Amino acid sequence: AQSVAQPEDQVNVAEGNPLTVKCTYSVSGNPYLFWYVQYPNRGLQFLLKYITGDNLVKGSYGFEAEFNKSQTSFHLKKPSALVSDSALYFCAVRDIKTGRRALTFGSGTRLQVQP
Amino acid sequence: EAGVTQFPSHSVIEKGQTVTLRCDPISGHDNLYWYRRVMGKEIKFLLHFVKESKQDESGMPNNRFLAERTGGTYSTLKVQPAELEDSGVYFCASSHEWGTGELFFGEGSRLTVL
Repeated sequence: AQSVAQPEDQVNVAEGNPLTVKCTYSVSGNPYLFWYVQYPNRGLQFLLKYITGDNLVKGSYGFEAEFNKSQTSFHLKKPSALVSDSALYFCAVRDIKTGRRALTFGSGTRLQVQP
Repeated sequence: EAGVTQFPSHSVIEKGQTVTLRCDPISGHDNLYWYRRVMGKEIKFLLHFVKESKQDESGMPNNRFLAERTGGTYSTLKVQPAELEDSGVYFCASSHEWGTGELFFGEGSRLTVL
């Protein structure tokens, strides 16, 4: 069965500093990996995805994520955090081997960027 | 292009009552998903429609939950009778049949069972 772990409930970072939100996954085959962001009282918004190819993928709002197959990780990063980046971030995986289209999500990490 | 819309945004009901949540997917999206997030926990998959057919309902917690998608357009999720543990935010998402499968989410329906 596929699963996603986000080991940090909350990440605090000062504005202007780099940020990392961690995600590890478990699948039986090759993964499609996704990051979503949820702002207060809003739905989840797609940020970026890894399907194949370059391990470093770039997405919306200056975010990027690095796929590491050996460590089964897909950490979300941004070189310089903004206060407006404060939100709830979810990592998700789709296991291609199963043929199942539904994504499996982690429990979310709250990012707090202090001015 | 209109996004995924969900109704109601918030529902407060007593234990034992019935609630029906509605989701209107993005026009042309054959795939429709229901997810639920209980406070502080992961977003858990409930079920997946392809057009009007239930493709995967492995996440439905029990037979108090009934999802329908008549005509392959909007979907409803009925909880009857509601229990305290059903409280949470119910998200609907849709996607194209083709492509790599990113989902487009609605803003969610918050259900509070007292």
